[in-house]
Amino acid sequence: GENVEQHPSTLSVQEGDSAVIKCTYSDSASNYFPWYKQELGKRPQLIIDIRSNVGEKKDQRIAVTLNKTAKHFSLHITETQPEDSAVYFCAASTFQGAQKLVFGQGTRLTINP
Amino acid sequence: GAVVSQHPSWVICKSGTSVKIECRSLDFQATTMFWYRQFPKQSLMLMATSNEGSKATYEQGVEKDKFLINHASLTLSTLTVTSAHPEDSSFYICSALGTSGRKTQYFGPGTRLLVL
Repeated sequence: GENVEQHPSTLSVQEGDSAVIKCTYSDSASNYFPWYKQELGKRPQLIIDIRSNVGEKKDQRIAVTLNKTAKHFSLHITETQPEDSAVYFCAASTFQGAQKLVFGQGTRLTINP
Repeated sequence: GAVVSQHPSWVICKSGTSVKIECRSLDFQATTMFWYRQFPKQSLMLMATSNEGSKATYEQGVEKDKFLINHASLTLSTLTVTSAHPEDSSFYICSALGTSGRKTQYFGPGTRLLVL
C-alpha cells in the first residue's frame, strides 16, 4: 500500500520568511495530493491540493510543487505570518477505487514574530 | 458549502461501556465517509471506509467487532466504540467525500473520547 513520508517534523521560521515542507510517496498510482492545516484540537482544513497532471499550483502565499518521477511533492508558504503556525499534513490518494487518503506524519510549523 | 458535523464533540465514559459517534454531511450527499483516529501529536490514521448501504471496509489491525460502523443514509455515518477501554481514548475524526469531480474530503470537527 501507499506510504507517505513527511519532513521536517518541526519547523521554526521568522515571520516574513518562507517555509518549505516536503513529502515523498511510494505508490506511483497515487494521483491526488492535498495539504491540510490543523490547529490544536480542531479539524484538518484543506489549504491546497494538486493532481498528478500538474507540476505546480499556487494560491496567494501558498504553493505546491509535484515531481512525479521522483515521487515527491512540497508545500511552500511565503511571507509567513503568525497565523500560519499550525500542524501541516500532506496526503496522497487516487481518484479511482477507495480514494483513501494516506497522511504524512505532520509538520509542526511555528512562526516567530 | 461542504460542511460536515460530528456529535458529540466530547465524551467521557467508563471502561466497558459503548459510545456512539455521529458524522453528518449537512449540505451534500456523501456515498463515502471515512473514520480516522488521531492520538496526541500524531498523524491521522484511517480506521475504515464507510460506504452507504454496504459494509464498511476496515484497515488492517482495526477490529471490526469493536468499532462498528453504520452508513444507513447518504448524510449519516455512525461509529460505535464497543466495550471501550482507556487505550481507546483518542480524537476520532470523520470525513465525507465530496461528490464533485474534485473528490475533496471534508472533515468533521472531531470527537474527543476519554475512557476512564
